[in-house]
Amino acid sequence: DIQMTQSPSSLSASVGDRVTITCRASQTVTRYLNWYVQRPGKSPQLLIYAASSLQTGVPSRFSGSGSGTDFSLTIDGLQPEDFATFYCQQSYVSPRTFGPGTKVEMK
Amino acid sequence: QVHLVESGGGVVQPGRSLRLSCVASGFTFSSYGMDWVRQAPGKGLEWVAGLWFDGSNIHYADSVKGRFTISRDNSKNMLFLQVTSLRAEDTAVYYCAREGALYEADVWGQGTTVTVSS
Repeated sequence: DIQMTQSPSSLSASVGDRVTITCRASQTVTRYLNWYVQRPGKSPQLLIYAASSLQTGVPSRFSGSGSGTDFSLTIDGLQPEDFATFYCQQSYVSPRTFGPGTKVEMK
Repeated sequence: QVHLVESGGGVVQPGRSLRLSCVASGFTFSSYGMDWVRQAPGKGLEWVAGLWFDGSNIHYADSVKGRFTISRDNSKNMLFLQVTSLRAEDTAVYYCAREGALYEADVWGQGTTVTVSS
């Protein structure tokens, strides 16, 4: 199985900050890498698919990059609703493993 | 509007079984792969199982292989997860999710909670 890691596991930031979360796969997933946000008490929501494609309806402050094994999610101008947990997921092979999550907290 | 609604969760004793259901609306269900993803209390997301639009190409996480069975009824727009030989570590919110073209989970339900406890 492909193992996914994320860093940091948590971070503190303020509204308006630029935040970057990284995700690493234990072997190549080419560009089959997705990012999700889960707000407290809510279901996960797709933000980015195929490493850098913005899901319909997701604000443009979210962007993704990377390929192979190393990926990043950037939030350019953190908003109050972005204090949440972010997960990466590889969909290159089954099982389609998730990273452990990065919790973004208010500073 | 695209919707997924799960049901069938509950409190069950270790070793017992449950059948989780997910009803889809607002899209052509028979054209999409589907997944089950779970989340234990206070923990991260765990992909559990998935299958193609026609019910083929079924895969499971190692943690549930041999105990869980995913299936679908395209005539009823429904996805199922038969969970057997339940263990305490299966306690979680179970989400159904639609797979997009690149197997991303682009639509999620609200989840159904399974609690395994004696």
